[in-house]
Amino acid sequence: EAQVTQNPRYLITVTGKKLTVTCSQNMNHEYMSWYRQDPGLGLRQIYYSMNVEVTDKGDVPEGYKVSRKEKRNFPLILESPSPNQTSLYFCASRSGLANEQFFGPGTRLTVL
Amino acid sequence: AQSVTQLDSQVPVFEEAPVELRCNYSSSVSVYLFWYVQYPNQGLQLLLKYLSGSTLVKGINGFEAEFNKSQTSFHLRKPSVHISDTAEYFCAVSGDKLSFGAGTTVTVRA
Repeated sequence: EAQVTQNPRYLITVTGKKLTVTCSQNMNHEYMSWYRQDPGLGLRQIYYSMNVEVTDKGDVPEGYKVSRKEKRNFPLILESPSPNQTSLYFCASRSGLANEQFFGPGTRLTVL
Repeated sequence: AQSVTQLDSQVPVFEEAPVELRCNYSSSVSVYLFWYVQYPNQGLQLLLKYLSGSTLVKGINGFEAEFNKSQTSFHLRKPSVHISDTAEYFCAVSGDKLSFGAGTTVTVRA
């Protein structure tokens, strides 16, 4: 089954404790992105990648890092999480600019 | 640079009534346009998309949208809604990247 998977689905952590949210897709898509969803703000892009070893900042990259060492994986790293990073995070992938973007199920992160 | 504005944050509607969700965009390049739906506690799924050709696009679950280049709009419509259409709807534009609007929450009441 074609899908985007994210782990963990739920995470509660404390300020400053490094964490990684994994994302994997099995559709051989070139494009992958991370978004955060906050009430009233819609989805805001954090980082995106157009292919292996190619990443770029989205609209809200501060406090986040990503890497794209393999085509299928695109982990999101929070080196020192802060409470303002409490949010619902979505990973997504697509094969081209004109094509449907497939979303993962979301990761709900709470930073205390 | 590109941006998307969804003009209504919340739309309450009665079952079997029509609904229209408004979306305007701005972009300096040619774009592709999408509508996504997010049902409660779920991820996003594609409703429909406009790439080129006919300006009236039909999607899943009876939804359709009309692309208007002169007004830079891509409004979503459904002639008769069901309770199951209660969800959040996002308009998105794909130029150099995919940008989303803030979302419109549709609540369908019996």
